[in-house]
Amino acid sequence: NAGVTQTPKFQVLKTGQSMTLQCAQDMNHNSMYWYRQDPGMGLRLIYYSASEGTTDKGEVPNGYNVSRLNKREFSLRLESAAPSQTSVYFCASSNNRDSIYEQYFGPGTRLTVT
Amino acid sequence: GQQVMQIPQYQHVQEGEDFTTYCNSSTTLSNIQWYKQRPGGHPVFLIQLVKSGEVKKQKRLTFQFGEAKKNSSLHITATQTTDVGTYFCAAGRGSTLGRLYFGRGTQLTVWP
Repeated sequence: NAGVTQTPKFQVLKTGQSMTLQCAQDMNHNSMYWYRQDPGMGLRLIYYSASEGTTDKGEVPNGYNVSRLNKREFSLRLESAAPSQTSVYFCASSNNRDSIYEQYFGPGTRLTVT
Repeated sequence: GQQVMQIPQYQHVQEGEDFTTYCNSSTTLSNIQWYKQRPGGHPVFLIQLVKSGEVKKQKRLTFQFGEAKKNSSLHITATQTTDVGTYFCAAGRGSTLGRLYFGRGTQLTVWP
């Protein structure tokens, strides 16, 4: 099992450009999440999908959109990138296993917006 | 706003010393999880606590969940250089059990 995979690993964008971050999991998990991590800020939830076909806003959704394409894939789109979106983005997935909601994280995408 | 407060933000210890990080919430939690992130890596799940007053151990790591289910701690005995990284607590709430509210983390540095 590959677990959670993310592409790309690194990306540099100019202000105003758009891009989509891809995430896929092969663990048959129902729930998937997108976080951003900034120095000293911990992990902040952008959007999540509790199950296939549903998505909900997290703490910092402005400037982002998501698509739960199927059970495996959950993508994050930046329509018009801004320097404030420079961050490390992590995708995660989880399932309810014996009431344990352990989240499995991907390796991250390091995004710089200039 | 910040749902879960975690302190300290940084901790520098000499190898062999103990280390503790604390997590506090103003509201009662359904559960609390702990994650470790190595430098340049991604968060990795360590443990989940659910019961009031629960204490769990993993080798040199001891995790506690407060009686009121509003606070938690992670204690490492006799730190080693392999313990270096950032430790996060993450709180679960009753309405959406899978969603987590992460603390800002404690960055642990261990010098030999």
